[in-house]
Amino acid sequence: NAGVTQTPKFQVLKTGQSMTLQCAQDMNHEYMSWYRQDPGMGLRLIHYSVGAGITDQGEVPNGYNVSRSTTEDFPLRLLSAAPSQTSVYFCASSSYRTGTPFFSGANVLTFGAGSRLTVL
Amino acid sequence: GQQVMQIPQYQHVQEGEDFTTYCNSSTTLSNIQWYKQRPGGHPVFLIQLVKSGEVKKQKRLTFQFGEAKKNSSLHITATQTTDVGTYFCAGPYTGTASKLTFGTGTRLQVTL
Repeated sequence: NAGVTQTPKFQVLKTGQSMTLQCAQDMNHEYMSWYRQDPGMGLRLIHYSVGAGITDQGEVPNGYNVSRSTTEDFPLRLLSAAPSQTSVYFCASSSYRTGTPFFSGANVLTFGAGSRLTVL
Repeated sequence: GQQVMQIPQYQHVQEGEDFTTYCNSSTTLSNIQWYKQRPGGHPVFLIQLVKSGEVKKQKRLTFQFGEAKKNSSLHITATQTTDVGTYFCAGPYTGTASKLTFGTGTRLQVTL
């Protein structure tokens, strides 16, 4: 039972390069999300998805794209990396009970191990 | 926008001392969750509180949800070195239950 798998674990980019952070979960979770973690700022939501084909913006979406073609995968794309995007990125998923709003009951987040990105 | 602040940002205690972190939201929360992140690790869910004034315990950890559902606290009795890490509170974003806003976190260091 792998849970939430993120790749790569570490990546160094030059300013202007593009890359994709991969996230896959094997728990059949409808909800998936991406957070970035910076010192003193906690975890900030970038994008999230409530199911295949549906995505929406979080608090800090600029510079990032996402898509959700399958229930299992939720990749995060940086089209033109900037030094301000140096951070640790976490993918997280949650189960969803039909007819109930997320996070109003027992839906909690399961996090991946994280991807540390450095943009020079 | 919604803000969730935690204090203190950092605390260093000796093993056996108690520890408390406080979580304050700018808006009323329908529920609050607590997560722990070990150094170099990822956040792991600890507990969820839903009712106003609710208190839950997990061994040496006591969690409280305020009467107005705008604040919460985590108290650890007699800390151990295994308690080292960063503790985050998190609550659903105002206006939609589909986003979870995390607090700024409190980093706990425990020494012998």
